[in-house]
Amino acid sequence: GAVVSQHPSRVICKSGTSVKIECRSLDFQATTMFWYRQFPKKSLMLMATSNEGSKATYEQGVEKDKFLINHASLTLSTLTVTSAHPEDSSFYICSARGVGSGGSTYNEQFFGPGTRLTVL
Amino acid sequence: LAKTTQPISMDSYEGQEVNITCSHNNIATNDYITWYQQFPSQGPRFIIQGYKTKVTNEVASLFIPADRKSSTLSLPRVSLSDTAVYYCLVTGDTGRRALTFGSGTRLQVQP
Repeated sequence: GAVVSQHPSRVICKSGTSVKIECRSLDFQATTMFWYRQFPKKSLMLMATSNEGSKATYEQGVEKDKFLINHASLTLSTLTVTSAHPEDSSFYICSARGVGSGGSTYNEQFFGPGTRLTVL
Repeated sequence: LAKTTQPISMDSYEGQEVNITCSHNNIATNDYITWYQQFPSQGPRFIIQGYKTKVTNEVASLFIPADRKSSTLSLPRVSLSDTAVYYCLVTGDTGRRALTFGSGTRLQVQP
């Protein structure tokens, strides 16, 4: 199956700073990437959908000026948490779908390993 | 999107077969049923997907009755490493749209 990576896997920052999380598709072109957030012992909640070359679509209640998403290439999407606060501490997960090396479209989404953000 | 209902938690012992049932009464004609597994502090991992009857792969089987209003994920001879949260999802196009995760079933396998 296709592989999605995230970097960093874990980050600790001070309140008020900004943190950038990268999501990369390693062996396929990701035309669409999705960003989820997961609090402890809770399910995944969709934050936004990111299409390559266009603006991200945010879910209701997610501040687009706080969670900046950039999907500038077919293999990379970034999520920047601006002016992070302790309540932003969470597990952030991306998933991707797209086209494999043979040109066939994947029908499933592939998830990254997640990024644990802790804001002090 | 069809809503899914599954047990919050289940307990089992090593070597036993585990069956997790998911209800999806409002499933649409073009919806598929997909199961994901998630370990703590990791992203979800695709387990199996089906539309009707039975699907089997190297890790699990998926049973879907004729009315498709429910499905059962079957894990044969579980081990301690199968302790995880299992999510049942229903979607018409697993690739195109974001996935809506329910509460999932927390499976605890004991020695």
